Order: sequence, then structure tokens, then C-alpha cells
Amino acid sequence: EAQVTQNPRYLITVTGKKLTVTCSQNMNHEYMSWYRQDPGLGLRQIYYSMNVEVTDKGDVPEGYKVSRKEKRNFPLILESPSPNQTSLYFCASSTTGDGYTFGSGTRLTVV
Amino acid sequence: SQELEQSPQSLIVQEGKNLTINCTSSKTLYGLYWYKQKYGEGLIFLMMLQKGGEEKSHEKITAKLDEKKQQSSLHITASQPSHAGIYLCGADPSSSGTYKYIFGTGTRLKVLA
Repeated sequence: EAQVTQNPRYLITVTGKKLTVTCSQNMNHEYMSWYRQDPGLGLRQIYYSMNVEVTDKGDVPEGYKVSRKEKRNFPLILESPSPNQTSLYFCASSTTGDGYTFGSGTRLTVV
Repeated sequence: SQELEQSPQSLIVQEGKNLTINCTSSKTLYGLYWYKQKYGEGLIFLMMLQKGGEEKSHEKITAKLDEKKQQSSLHITASQPSHAGIYLCGADPSSSGTYKYIFGTGTRLKVLA
């Protein structure tokens, strides 16, 4: 089944403890992206990647890192999480001429 | 920067009624995408519109992109409880297709049985 898989689905962590949210797609898509969704602010793009080793900042990149070493994987790294990074995170992938396919989301709480 | 404004922000309709959701862009749209999201879950791609005047349908949902490519509407005919959720429009602000999408803040739809 064609899908974008994120892990974990839920995560509670403490301020400053490094974490990684994994994202993997099995559709051979070139484009991948990370979004965060917050009440009243909608979906905001954190980082996106147009292909392996090609990444660029979205609208809210501060406090996040990404890497695209393989086409299928696009992990999101929070080096020192803070409470304002508590949010619902989505990974998505796409190919030319198509809409994004989204993962099921990761609900992160930073205390 | 380009912004997408959706209206209404929320909508409650009786089952069987028709409804329309609008998405208005501050700049020309080079690709307009409609998604549906169940609360707290991932987004499901509904359809994509690229050409001015284009109209697409999927089951009881029809979307149109106006000729000037700055507004799109999503119309649901004979709504059902399964149509409930959040509808979001998304767009790529670049004509060259960067996939640096922006999204509207969504329209929450509730369908009363």
C-alpha cells in the first residue's frame, strides 16, 4: 500500500532532550516536506526537500533540522525541544504533478 | 507572501443539504489542492486544479478554479455525515513547482444526521 509512515504517533518529552521523528515513504517520491499544525495557525511548513541531499527551509524552520540521505526517508530532528514546539506534526511526500500524500501525524508534547 | 483565506471558517448543515466552501488567494494560483482532514488525523488528498476555469468532481464533491486563478470553490452535493471534517485548500506559490506549499486555515464541517 502506498503510504507515508511517521513514527512515533504520540510523544511526550522534556525540554532539551533531543528527539527524532522518522518519516518514510514507499512511493519513490522526489518531494518531501514537514509541517506543523497548531490551532488558529493552520498548517505551516517547517522544511522541505526536492530530492536526495536537497533541502530548504519552510516558513518556521527555527529549532528543527532535517536530512535527506535516502529518497524514502526524511527525519525531523529537534536538537533541544522547547514547550513552544508542542504541536501536531505531519510528514508528506509528492511527485511532479500530484498533490502531497500525508502521514498520519505525530502529536508531540514538550514539558 | 501569498496567503490563502478560506470561508466560512466553520459550517453546520443538515444531512442532505448542499454546501460550498471558498478558498481565495492573494496572488495567482499555479496549482490549487483540496484536502480533507478528520480531527487530529492526516490529510487526505481530494483533487488538484491547475487551469483557470477547470472543474473536477469526485463522488459528490466538485471543485472549481476560477478563470483568473485566484479563487477556488468546493461544493458538496447532498451532504452526508461521512463528509464531516476539516477541508483545507493548499497551493504552491511558485509557477515552477517548488512544492513549498501554503495552506488555508481550514473550514470545519459538521453534518447533522
